[in-house]
This record gives sequence, structure tokens and C-alpha cells, in this order.
Amino acid sequence: GAVVSQHPSWVICKSGTSVKIECRSLDFQATTMFWYRQFPKQSLMLMATSNEGSKATYEQGVEKDKFLINHASLTLSTLTVTSAHPEDSSFYICSARELAGKETQYFGPGTRLLVL
Amino acid sequence: GQQLNQSPQSMFIQEGEDVSMNCTSSSIFNTWLWYKQDPGEGPVLLIALYKAGELTSNGRLTAQFGITRKDSFLNISASIPSDVGIYFCAGQGQASGTYKYIFGTGTRLKVLA
Repeated sequence: GAVVSQHPSWVICKSGTSVKIECRSLDFQATTMFWYRQFPKQSLMLMATSNEGSKATYEQGVEKDKFLINHASLTLSTLTVTSAHPEDSSFYICSARELAGKETQYFGPGTRLLVL
Repeated sequence: GQQLNQSPQSMFIQEGEDVSMNCTSSSIFNTWLWYKQDPGEGPVLLIALYKAGELTSNGRLTAQFGITRKDSFLNISASIPSDVGIYFCAGQGQASGTYKYIFGTGTRLKVLA
């Protein structure tokens, strides 16, 4: 139980294009999902909190127009990196908070983005 | 962003040895989570702690929620090669915000066969 998937697992794109990453909770409902960014050999840095049916809450320093988040259902959140540039290249990981049960977060397998 | 102090930063151990790592904070937390991350993958939840003083085991792993609520410990007994990876603690409380977690800096574990 408590499986979170991400798609795609990796993506290479040209500078200036937009990339959409999907995060799904497969066997549970998640009213809240989180998007993290991780640089090599570093810890996870929270980018934004995504709540089903409402606007995402962004952490300080994260551009909301750059990283568009949509949480349309209890099992799906999407992150769109708009007009991607090489500095946006990173490992993006989502997590989902289970609606029922004890407070915890389950992570997806991550999406590696390389912008050329 | 804010991070929790985690130590040691890295460690090499022999197979069969026990491992200890800890996470400390200047803030009080209500929940502590411990994760393991393999290269190129997302973190996998190992143990969740919800009460000060709580001691919880998951196979060869044991974690404790510190009495002061400002720290947590993870022990791995009789390490094996597949224990290699990065271990992260994560704390949730007033300092992190509702439902959000602050992550530790990570402990990189390498096991020598």
C-alpha cells in the first residue's frame, strides 16, 4: 500500500520549452501533495504544497509562474516547469500525504529533468 | 530553506556492524520520519515516530523519538551491503508548518563487505 508514482521518470528538453510532471497516489487518497527539488548529493528542498481543489502554496524563493502546480483530484497533482532553462535541470520528487491514517508522507520515484 | 542537523554526514562500516545516526533541531517536533534513498530514486519511508520517547523497530532498524522532542535517532543492527544509501530524517511541527516536513542533511552510509 501507499504507492506514489511519477511520470515521466526522466525527460530531456530544449531550453524554452515547458515540461509537465505527473504525481499520482495509486492506492490512497491524498488531499495534500508536496513537490521537492533535489540537487546532487544534497537534501530535499520543499518547493510547494499542493492541495486538492485549491491554489498551491509556494515556499519562499520559488517562482509560482515558473513552476505551475495543479491538483485536480485526490490522486493527481502536476508540476509544469514553464520555459525551462538549464538551471532548472534537477531531480524533482513529489510526495503525498495520506488522507486517512497517521501523519506521514510517501514519496514518488522522482523525475530527472535535463534542460539543454 | 531550513534543514535539520544530521550526523554523521557519512560513514564507512564493515558488514555486520551496527550503525547509529541522529538528527537534531533547535525546534520541537510532533512527528519524526526516517527515510532511505537509493541513487536516482525517491526516498522510501522506514519508520515513523509520533510521541516523545517512542521507540519503534522495523526489522533490523530501530528509531527513537527523543524525550526533548528536538532529536531522533536511527540504529541499524548487523548491517548488510544493501543498507548502502542515504538516510534522511524529517521533522514536522510548528517550525515546519502544518503537514510540512523539514529534512535533515542526510547520512551517507557505505558498507564494506
